[in-house]
Amino acid sequence: KQEVTQIPAALSVPEGENLVLNCSFTDSAIYNLQWFRQDPGKGLTSLLLIQSSQREQTSGRLNASLDKSSGRSTLYIAASQPGDSATYLCAVNPLGSNTGKLIFGQGTTLQVKP
Amino acid sequence: KAGVTQTPRYLIKTRGQQVTLSCSPISGHRSVSWYQQTPGQGLQFLFEYFSETQRNKGNFPGRFSGRQFSNSRSEMNVSTLELGDSALYLCASSRERGPNTEAFFGQGTRLTVV
Repeated sequence: KQEVTQIPAALSVPEGENLVLNCSFTDSAIYNLQWFRQDPGKGLTSLLLIQSSQREQTSGRLNASLDKSSGRSTLYIAASQPGDSATYLCAVNPLGSNTGKLIFGQGTTLQVKP
Repeated sequence: KAGVTQTPRYLIKTRGQQVTLSCSPISGHRSVSWYQQTPGQGLQFLFEYFSETQRNKGNFPGRFSGRQFSNSRSEMNVSTLELGDSALYLCASSRERGPNTEAFFGQGTRLTVV
C-alpha cells in the first residue's frame, strides 16, 4: 500500500532563506509526483509535476527533484518570501491503478517571517 | 481560461440530510476526481470519473456517490449525513490519464454538518 510522508509537519523561517521540503513514498511504482500549495481554507494550486522518468522540474524560485529508486522528492524554495507562507503538499499517482488517483502526504505548513 | 469551478462554496446541513456538490472541470478536461480533506485524515480520494464512467473508488461508504455528465461536469452526493462528513470537498480535473497529466483543483466546497 502506497504511503506518502512529509517531514517536517511545520517549518518557520525568516524571509530570504532558502529552504527544502521533503516528501517520501513507500512504493517506487509511480506514474508521476506533483507538488501543490494550499492557502488556508482554499483549494490546491499545482506547483510542479515530475514524471517518473524525470529527475527534476523548475518553475521560478521553485525546484523539485525526484529520486524514484529511494522514494524521495524534495521541493526547494529559493529566497523565501512572506507570500510563500502556505501548506505544501506532495502527491503521487501510483502505477497500476490506471486512473488519475493521487495519494497525498499530510503536508508541510510553512511560515515565512518578514 | 477558466479553472475548476465548484459550487456551492459553503454548505451547512443537518445530520440525516443529503447533499449534492457540483464540479465543472476545465474546458477540454475529461477526468474528474473528488477528494475529502479533514484535519485528522488529510486528503483522501473519493472517486474518479472519466467519460461518464466511474474508474476508481476510494474507501468510503456507499453513502458517498457521484456521477459525470456528457459535458464532463460532475456531481457528488452524500446521503444520510453524519457529523464526521464535515470536511472540505475538493474536485480535480485533468485532461486524461497520460504522461503529462496534471491535476488542477477547484476551491472546494466547505460542508458543515450540524
